[in-house]
Amino acid sequence: SQQGEEDPQALSIQEGENATMNCSYKTSINNLQWYRQNSGRGLVHLILIRSNEREKHSGRLRVTLDTSKKSSSLLITASRAADTASYFCATDPFVIQGAQKLVFGQGTRLTINP
Amino acid sequence: DGGITQSPKYLFRKEGQNVTLSCEQNLNHDAMYWYRQDPGQGLRLIYYSQIVNDFQKGDIAEGYSVSREKKESFPLTVTSAQKNPTAFYLCASGTGRSPLHFGNGTRLTVT
Repeated sequence: SQQGEEDPQALSIQEGENATMNCSYKTSINNLQWYRQNSGRGLVHLILIRSNEREKHSGRLRVTLDTSKKSSSLLITASRAADTASYFCATDPFVIQGAQKLVFGQGTRLTINP
Repeated sequence: DGGITQSPKYLFRKEGQNVTLSCEQNLNHDAMYWYRQDPGQGLRLIYYSQIVNDFQKGDIAEGYSVSREKKESFPLTVTSAQKNPTAFYLCASGTGRSPLHFGNGTRLTVT
């Protein structure tokens, strides 16, 4: 079951601009994670935000989480051509016991134009 | 260098043949996962394993089988029962509720 819904599906901006991607989900979560995927490659973890956190920063990345609205956003500031990739949110649904079974959104394809 | 190795990168098979995708990790992670990705789509969980000799079905396990005889290895077999096997297959490993580490995938084409 696909829990995460991402918006927009595709985003094209000029180098230097900021890029914002949004993710909505349906159930309670332990945490929400953002991953990046370059074309034809595996996913690389970017940032994890726990359900009791509201905002987190890592370099040019800023992630927010609103559990009341079941939504998250990823902001990439001062974009570079090398940021061109697909970005996925993944939720870790809350369960009392059991493995982490991440549920991925369909992704946002980001293109940075030089 | 610690990581996950998937092989081969590209795989071509005829319809009706079983095929096994390899996944090896040297990160000492307990849990391993197989995901399927179709063009323009997110990842869907096929199977996962929390410990050696134990594995669980994910959301789309039909037509697939796995084994976990060693901590380092989690091979996936795509059987002839899988109706639409052509896809990009990603293996991942992790520990606890930490982020997953992914391999670089195997692109399977069945004709």
